[in-house]
Amino acid sequence: DIQMTQSPSSLSASVGDRVTITCQASQDISNYLNWYQQKPGKAPKLLIYDASNLETGVPSRFSGSGSGTDFTFTISSLQPEDIATYYCQQYDNLPFFGQGTRLEIK
Amino acid sequence: QLQLQESGPGLVKPSETLSLTCTVSGGSISSSSYYWGWIRQPPGKGLEWIGSIYYSGSTYYNPSLKSRVTISVDTSKNQFSLKLSSVTAADTAVYYCARLRVAGTMDYWGQGTLVTVSS
Repeated sequence: DIQMTQSPSSLSASVGDRVTITCQASQDISNYLNWYQQKPGKAPKLLIYDASNLETGVPSRFSGSGSGTDFTFTISSLQPEDIATYYCQQYDNLPFFGQGTRLEIK
Repeated sequence: QLQLQESGPGLVKPSETLSLTCTVSGGSISSSSYYWGWIRQPPGKGLEWIGSIYYSGSTYYNPSLKSRVTISVDTSKNQFSLKLSSVTAADTAVYYCARLRVAGTMDYWGQGTLVTVSS
């Protein structure tokens, strides 16, 4: 199985900050990498697919990059409504998630 | 607008079989472009993919759960179902159903249903 290492596990930032989360795959997964946002008590929401494509309706402050084994998710200017846990998910073979990053407001 | 809704018992006894159904509305489960899947999340923990099914009945499962999981589809009812056998307290989780683009991207989710395993 392909293992996904997501970091950091938690993050505290101020409104307006640039926030970056990384995900590393245990082997080359090309661009088969998605990013989800999950708010407390809610289902996950797809934000970025195929490593860098913004899902329809998702604000442009969210972005993704990378290919192969190293991927990055960025919020360009953190907003209060962005408080959530973020997960990467690879689908090169079977779909597996990273451990998640809990994002808090400082 | 596509909607998915999980249904089933919220409490299951240890060693018994957990059974859930996902009803899809606003779209056809028989679309050739999508798989349909189950994902779970133990309280306070991360997401775990359980398995997925195509409308034809083709399935693939998480190897860690494969021996206990069966996913089936009923195209006439626009539903798919999950059965997880021999449950223990470790199977207590919120269970989500979701639509997967063929490559594995989960773009629509149900609201989730909490299943507790307890005697």
